[in-house]
Amino acid sequence: EPEVTQTPSHQVTQMGQEVILRCVPISNHLYFYWYRQILGQKVEFLVSFYNNEISEKSEIFDDQFSVERPDGSNFTLKIRSTKLEDSAMYFCASSELGTGFNTGELFFGEGSRLTVL
Amino acid sequence: AQSVTQLGSHVSVSEGALVLLRCNYSSSVPPYLFWYVQYPNQGLQLLLKYTSAATLVKGINGFEAEFKKSETSFHLTKPSAHMSDAAEYFCAVTFNTDKLIFGTGTRLQVFP
Repeated sequence: EPEVTQTPSHQVTQMGQEVILRCVPISNHLYFYWYRQILGQKVEFLVSFYNNEISEKSEIFDDQFSVERPDGSNFTLKIRSTKLEDSAMYFCASSELGTGFNTGELFFGEGSRLTVL
Repeated sequence: AQSVTQLGSHVSVSEGALVLLRCNYSSSVPPYLFWYVQYPNQGLQLLLKYTSAATLVKGINGFEAEFKKSETSFHLTKPSAHMSDAAEYFCAVTFNTDKLIFGTGTRLQVFP
């Protein structure tokens, strides 16, 4: 069964370092997302990506964050200069249709746990 | 503001008992509603969704949910719990945007 895969499963980094989290969405999907879950808190939307551009982003997704689909298969989330509060589980998701009006199902990866020291 | 609230961060039931997980939403426009399940060390998996068709929605693994506009609720039920149902369950809502708003989750424990 097709699935969304994420790497690394766990990354530990020092505050101020750059981090890149990688995702391989399901191959025929057109919409891509990043969500995060700080320990003990809600799953929060970060950004959605369609047709090679950001379609929506949350207030969390500031200038320190960026997303890219460099080669048609990978979808990456970069955090330029990590802060302690960036420690969280980051989930990548993809969808054939979108959510909202298209109400497509999101398929989530298993997550990448980021720990910032 | 548009939001979703899950009552009860932990729910415990005996195997074979009814499962009821509560979800209420706040919205001024018609919502689309979802229930996701997260098993340990796995990603979130869609259980079912409401998209303005039938108000009683059936999902995978014997779960169902009923959209009640008058109560702004979308509670998840299963008539008979199984040990394999132990997981974290998330209610989520979207309002014609590309963003899912999740509740805080309810951890379901099933005792033999």
